[in-house]
Amino acid sequence: DTEVTQTPKHLVMGMTNKKSLKCEQHMGHRAMYWYKQKAKKPPELMFVYSYEKLSINESVPSRFSPECPNSSLLNLHLHALQPEDSALYLCASSPRSLNTEAFFGQGTRLTVV
Amino acid sequence: GNSVTQMEGPVTLSEEAFLTINCTYTATGYPSLFWYVQYPGEGLQLLLKATKADDKGSNKGFEATYRKETTSFHLEKGSVQVSDSAVYFCALIPMYSGGGADGLTFGKGTHLIIQP
Repeated sequence: DTEVTQTPKHLVMGMTNKKSLKCEQHMGHRAMYWYKQKAKKPPELMFVYSYEKLSINESVPSRFSPECPNSSLLNLHLHALQPEDSALYLCASSPRSLNTEAFFGQGTRLTVV
Repeated sequence: GNSVTQMEGPVTLSEEAFLTINCTYTATGYPSLFWYVQYPGEGLQLLLKATKADDKGSNKGFEATYRKETTSFHLEKGSVQVSDSAVYFCALIPMYSGGGADGLTFGKGTHLIIQP
């Protein structure tokens, strides 16, 4: 199983809503990531979890709140987002947090209205 | 810091043409290098990788060689198909990081269009 599964695939939310994005992998990987991708741009790193601990937060606004309940799951909690937060949110995992490839999910297409 | 530079395109070729997408990098030490491909509306798929100098990564007819002397990792394919139309990202991840973890550093992406 080399899959990273993200749900939902599409999400439309209002600026006062609270929603969560979910990511799951069963490859035994110990590093998990959230990236944000705007149209025609490369992915931008948001958060890195290594061994279930938050290792990197790339100065992401507090309206994005990551959570890693266990080594297979990664959530991204969303609250009071802005229209400019609309993007493709990609989850990825890797066997370790350095010097190795990452495997990406299909992404959640988020639209904030 | 780490950075990746690649030609942005769009690159338009005819089917069966030879493909080269240039990629150069800046990094301390010996990073691992990757090419990822993204089809419309999808996530990124790992196309190939190389972890040390002179390594050649290959997959689905695509090849790239890790050239430390020129800090390059150019992507090549001898005969492209319409189905190769996608966005291609060159990326690196360092071997070491002060914080003990890091994410991928991506180039800006090259949009490849193959015409029948």
